[in-house]
Amino acid sequence: GNSVTQMEGPVTLSEEAFLTINCTYTATGYPSLFWYVQYPGEGLQLLLKATKADDKGSNKGFEATYRKETTSFHLEKGSVQVSDSAVYFCALSDIADGLTFGKGTHLIIQP
Amino acid sequence: EAGVAQSPRYKIIEKRQSVAFWCNPISGHATLYWYQQILGQGPKLLIQFQNNGVVDDSQLPKDRFSAERLKGVDSTLKIQPAKLEDSAVYLCASSSDPGTSGVQEQFFGPGTRLTVL
Repeated sequence: GNSVTQMEGPVTLSEEAFLTINCTYTATGYPSLFWYVQYPGEGLQLLLKATKADDKGSNKGFEATYRKETTSFHLEKGSVQVSDSAVYFCALSDIADGLTFGKGTHLIIQP
Repeated sequence: EAGVAQSPRYKIIEKRQSVAFWCNPISGHATLYWYQQILGQGPKLLIQFQNNGVVDDSQLPKDRFSAERLKGVDSTLKIQPAKLEDSAVYLCASSSDPGTSGVQEQFFGPGTRLTVL
């Protein structure tokens, strides 16, 4: 079956630091890959997605590239802000299927 | 555009009691999902509806959980009887048909936080 593994948290960084959150996946087909974010007190929302190999998803300064050869979809941001503090979930889905999520990574940005 | 609505937002019950959650998806979204999110874990898909038909309920504990989506719009998820391990946030999500463009974004509601004592 499908599965997603992402780095354990919490991850604590200083403002303006470089961020990487690792995500690897196992899938039987050719899934689409997603990063969802959950800000404190809010619901899950889509941050970015990539639907095929070598696609790069980007939004709000965050980027992730679909790497089929390493089955990875690592999330990166060049300069984090306090407002980026949240829980980040890596997920995958085959077309029209439900999402398979990782356990989530709690990111804490200190001023 | 109104988002996915869920109610109640919080529920506390005793074990062996029953409970029901309600979800109203975004207007026009044919696909509806229920997820269970246990504290410290990612959401786990329980059931997926396409209009009013079930597409995937392979992870739904059918001895105690049931769900329906009458008329292909609103949906209810029921637990009867509840166990301590059912304490979690229950998330509803909806998406439009993928069509030929591939996977469509799932929009999540705020969730119902269930505590079983």
